[in-house]
Amino acid sequence: GAGVSQSPSNKVTEKGKDVELRCDPISGHTALYWYRQRLGQGLEFLIYFQGNSAPDKSGLPSDRFSAERTGESVSTLTIQRTQQEDSAVYLCASSLVSRGYGEQYFGPGTRLTVT
Amino acid sequence: QQQVKQSPQSLIVQKGGISIINCAYENTAFDYFPWYQQFPGKGPALLIAIRPDVSEKKEGRFTISFNKSAKQFSLHIMDSQPGDSATYFCAAADSWGKLQFGAGTQVVVTP
Repeated sequence: GAGVSQSPSNKVTEKGKDVELRCDPISGHTALYWYRQRLGQGLEFLIYFQGNSAPDKSGLPSDRFSAERTGESVSTLTIQRTQQEDSAVYLCASSLVSRGYGEQYFGPGTRLTVT
Repeated sequence: QQQVKQSPQSLIVQKGGISIINCAYENTAFDYFPWYQQFPGKGPALLIAIRPDVSEKKEGRFTISFNKSAKQFSLHIMDSQPGDSATYFCAAADSWGKLQFGAGTQVVVTP
């Protein structure tokens, strides 16, 4: 079956522009996560969706970052007024089981470069 | 503030050797400890995971050792192969929270 897909795979944008990143989770997975991975660094949690519950936004670094998810399907991460420090790989993961125990299946990521 | 500390940052091991990566945590509520493997240009993938009711778990050439009292856990890769060259992340979670990842260890296995 299909894994987690993300689009675009690469995005180059000018400082100050808005960008939208998309994640298609594995069908039936109720949990969806967004992470940021800066070059040579670990995964930084951004936001977590679980079914119809209110998302856990505790990892969003600023109010320029927002994310939406419709039901248990596609999610979009939006970064407004991009800055150079936003340059990173943005990873999406989905999980069949909620909370921390479920194996997270990661997409290939979107590499964002802000010039 | 990183809740899971991972070392070393990188290591080089000869083919057939043992790779050892260590992680430490402070939050005693953590009770799930997975390791993820990431190849360049790919997302991380679950390699092996352990719960604190056991001190060791082995899957093929990969072993997790867990020391609850020391709040440490480690990954051992036995008979390392060039195909094992990747970045490895330890992580930890409690029953309610999200995974907290270590900073990662880049492993290079030389032929």
